[in-house]
Amino acid sequence: QQPVQSPQAVILREGEDAVINCSSSKALYSVHWYRQKHGEAPVFLMILLKGGEQKGHEKISASFNEKKQQSSLYLTASQLSYSGTYFCGTDGGTSYGKLTFGQGTILTVHP
Amino acid sequence: DAGVIQSPRHEVTEMGQEVTLRCKPISGHNSLFWYRQTMMRGLELLIYFNNNVPIDDSGMPEDRFSAKMPNASFSTLKIQPSEPRDSAVYFCASSLASAAFFGQGTRLTVV
Repeated sequence: QQPVQSPQAVILREGEDAVINCSSSKALYSVHWYRQKHGEAPVFLMILLKGGEQKGHEKISASFNEKKQQSSLYLTASQLSYSGTYFCGTDGGTSYGKLTFGQGTILTVHP
Repeated sequence: DAGVIQSPRHEVTEMGQEVTLRCKPISGHNSLFWYRQTMMRGLELLIYFNNNVPIDDSGMPEDRFSAKMPNASFSTLKIQPSEPRDSAVYFCASSLASAAFFGQGTRLTVV
């Protein structure tokens, strides 16, 4: 079952914040976040395991609410380099399950 | 480590021809995924292997598609016969019970 991301697209000015949401209809063991720039492969950002933890580094962080089967990615003080398509990936409820991705959120940061 | 290596990077073939895509996962990783990416359908999981064994191939579109993983360091995705609607970017990714790392992809064009 494919997770659902919202919004589909976000346009920001440098320095503004954004939140991207990911929800699943199934119980999850983990949520993965990736960023893909045009013409390139998806690049791993972070993984969150069930336990409601929040992770992050510098200005990109994420949270995982396993009861609600939701995760959110927080981008603060956005930079031009943050532009790209963000995907959340969810497993099938097991620690090594297949990784299924949402439809993606296109983030565009303008000067 | 060189990361996940895919070949070829680009493939143009005529309808009806056989196409074979190749992937070398990161050494030590025990899960391997094949994804197809198109504008219309996003990033679709085709098949995934764990310890060289196909675990879930429910995403394989039809019998024209087949995948093998004869050993821990090599996998192939074969399309026979190819059709124009198979045109897409095909990604291979590998993981070790956590983050999945993607290859650069193979851009397939079937004319």
